[in-house]
Amino acid sequence: ETGVTQTPRHLVMGMTNKKSLKCEQHLGHNAMYWYKQSAKKPLELMFVYSLEERVENNSVPSRFSPECPNSSHLFLHLHTLQPEDSALYLCASSQQTGEAYEQYFGPGTRLTVT
Amino acid sequence: GQNIDQPTEMTATEGAIVQINCTYQTSGFNGLFWYQQHAGEAPTFLSYNVLDGLEEKGRFSSFLSRSKGYSYLLLKELQMKDSASYLCAVTDSNYQLIWGAGTKLIIKP
Repeated sequence: ETGVTQTPRHLVMGMTNKKSLKCEQHLGHNAMYWYKQSAKKPLELMFVYSLEERVENNSVPSRFSPECPNSSHLFLHLHTLQPEDSALYLCASSQQTGEAYEQYFGPGTRLTVT
Repeated sequence: GQNIDQPTEMTATEGAIVQINCTYQTSGFNGLFWYQQHAGEAPTFLSYNVLDGLEEKGRFSSFLSRSKGYSYLLLKELQMKDSASYLCAVTDSNYQLIWGAGTKLIIKP
């Protein structure tokens, strides 16, 4: 399944580093999402973009900065992260927001903050 | 607050049947999703229920009772490849997806 791709798949970074996660969807969808997945916890929605406009930010710390240059690409810029930010970061897309549409997920980036 | 409850882990035998339950308390309801997630992989869509009743899709079926805030995923003729986590998610009145923590299903030969 290559509908939603994410790079890198694994990332180890120090607390003073700056890095970016990339997501690309090839499904013609208009909405894209960033989720954080920690062990034994529900998926945490971080950001939602609909038609390249950010529609939701669930009180995410400013050390996470999203960017959506077009409807196919989504980035998550990371800086001065904390060890508790270590998790699997999943990107998803759907046809649009505002309806109960199925979301298609990428394989995730496993992030470790040292 | 909004809450989705599902068992943390279940074990079943190859060839058998298993039922994974999900109960929810959300502000409004616009449908319930089940996703499957193999270790190290992306969650993939299994089913969507918005009306009461049973939806069957091959070996997998999903049931919904809106009055009880309850759903289950039924897996028949279990295969080893069904070992995965199963995520329940409810769409609330704002069409926001509220996720459960997932049920890890272990299949034994």
